[in-house]
Amino acid sequence: SYELTQPPSVSVSPGQTARITCSGDALPKQYAYWYQQKSGQAPVLVIYEDSKRPSGIPERFSGSSSGTMATLTISGAQVEDEADYYCYSTDSSGNHVVFGGGTKLTVL
Amino acid sequence: QVQLVESGGGVVQPGRSLRLSCAASGFTFSTYGMHWVRQAPGKGLEWVGIIWYDGSNKYYADSVKGRFTISRDNSKNTLYLQMDSLRAEDTAVYYCRATGDEGFDIWGQGTMVTVSS
Repeated sequence: SYELTQPPSVSVSPGQTARITCSGDALPKQYAYWYQQKSGQAPVLVIYEDSKRPSGIPERFSGSSSGTMATLTISGAQVEDEADYYCYSTDSSGNHVVFGGGTKLTVL
Repeated sequence: QVQLVESGGGVVQPGRSLRLSCAASGFTFSTYGMHWVRQAPGKGLEWVGIIWYDGSNKYYADSVKGRFTISRDNSKNTLYLQMDSLRAEDTAVYYCRATGDEGFDIWGQGTMVTVSS
């Protein structure tokens, strides 16, 4: 079955740039999406279709995709950005969805 | 107010069945694809399955195929997840999710399902 691979953890100091990667064989053909999940809460979409930002999401969140890797970038990370981040995409058929394993972002 | 509210979770014995519901409000339910996503305690998100806006197509994760069935009643703005032959590894918070164009993406707050004897 199709898999998306993320690093388990990323750590940055406040104000630094955090980059979280997601690799998958179908990413050249399928969009990547990114979710933020804080403890005890439902996930929130922060990037859709590789690089688009939903309304209400701060501009410091951006996304890109090249080849088999998608990247979520948080420019000037803040303490409130500490959360688990999940990438999401579909297999080559477009019918089966998969989440990456998640990356715990620590900002301290 | 756009909202999804899950219900029907609880404690169930292995091998038994349970049906979850997800009530939608504040948007035109019948025009959006709907997903179920689950999260085991302390673990990551796992996609369970999707049903198209009109119910014409459904797709499932391999881990639940043949045991779980997704359905919807557009006249009642409600999504369902019928879970049969439940296993301990199905223990999780179950979320319903609506998706559409332009980043439309709504999640419920989840309902807990515990499979235990």
